[in-house]
Order: sequence, then structure tokens, then C-alpha cells
Amino acid sequence: DAGVIQSPRHEVTEMGQEVTLRCKLISGHNSLFWYRQTMMRGLELLIYFNNNVPIDDSGMPEDRFSAKMPNASFSTLKIQPSEPRDSAVYFCASYPPIRELFFGEGSRLTVL
Amino acid sequence: GQQVMQIPQYQHVQEGEDFTTYCNSSTTLSNIQWYKQRPGGHPVFLIQLVKSGEVKKQKRLTFQFGEAKKNSSLHITATQTTDVGTYFCAGGGGSNYKLTFGKGTLLTVNP
Repeated sequence: DAGVIQSPRHEVTEMGQEVTLRCKLISGHNSLFWYRQTMMRGLELLIYFNNNVPIDDSGMPEDRFSAKMPNASFSTLKIQPSEPRDSAVYFCASYPPIRELFFGEGSRLTVL
Repeated sequence: GQQVMQIPQYQHVQEGEDFTTYCNSSTTLSNIQWYKQRPGGHPVFLIQLVKSGEVKKQKRLTFQFGEAKKNSSLHITATQTTDVGTYFCAGGGGSNYKLTFGKGTLLTVNP
């Protein structure tokens, strides 16, 4: 089975631009997490989906961030407009309940 | 909310020395998981502990879950250069999906 696939792996953009990060889950997993990792704050949970439904979005920083899961295998995280403080590595992770997280390789975002 | 503190933040050892990282939770955990992240990589699951006082071993790695289910440790015996990376604990509690990650311990090993 293929693992969790994220794209793009690297993104450099200018402040104010829209950024869309994509994630394809492992087949058969029904839950997805988006995490953000920075040196200062570590791994932060942004949002959790279960069966395509957002269950917990309390970690989403502000209205500039939005996430969707249009089907059972795919999700997007959008930042509009982007700001330099959004620079981080964004991971998605799929999750069979009560088991471990399977992380994608991450999308490294740099906002200039 | 639940907080998971992890110490030390950094640890540098000579190859062959032992290494230990510790996690403490502000609340009782239902389970604790450990992950390893190599430099430039993504977190990879190592193990899950569920029972009070549980001890599990994976070759040179020993994982413990405290009796009160509020703390955990990872001990590596005779470190090797392949052990380099950041080790994270992640505590589960309350809801059945939410894991709270510690900030991680970055281990570097001098050959």
C-alpha cells in the first residue's frame, strides 16, 4: 500500500498569495489530521476529520486557514492570504482509530 | 487543556552511551505513543503503551508507562549513529482520537 502522499513537498510564495496543500490518505483509513510543525511550537494539531467530517478545528489559527475533505481519500489545507508567520512544515496524517498516526512526508512552506 | 512536557529538549551523546527522554502529562493518559523523526523527515510511529506500569522493549529501546499513567520514558542503550533524530511522545486522553505531542527531544550522536 502507498503511504500518505502530500503535495507539494516544498512551496515558496510571497505574502498575500493563496497556498493550497494536498493530502492523499492511505486506503481504508477513515480519519485525517493536519499538523503544523515549527521549531518554536513543535507539532500543533490544526484539524481532525473523521469520515470526511471535520470533528475538531480548534487548532486552526484563524480565518485565513481552511481545510476540506471532499472524499474519503483526499484533503486540502488552504491558506489565504498567506503570511510569513505561516512558514512551517505541514503534515497530514491518516489514522485508523485507536492506533498510530501515519504521517506524510510533509509540505515545507516558506512565505516571504 | 492537556499538556505534555518532554525533557530534555536536546541531548548529545558519544556513540555507545545511553540516552533517556522523559514525558510528563498534566492529566492521566489513556495511552502514550512514541514517534521518531529523522532530520528532514516525518514522524514515524515506534510504539504504543496502554497499561499502567507497562514496559516494552524493541531491541535497544525500552519504553515505560508510569503507574499513574501520567509519565513515560524512552531509554536507548548503547546509542548508535542511526539513532539520531527527534523523539516525540504523544499522549492520548479524553476523546479517542486526540494525541497531544510533546515538543520532542533531539538526539545527536557523536561517532
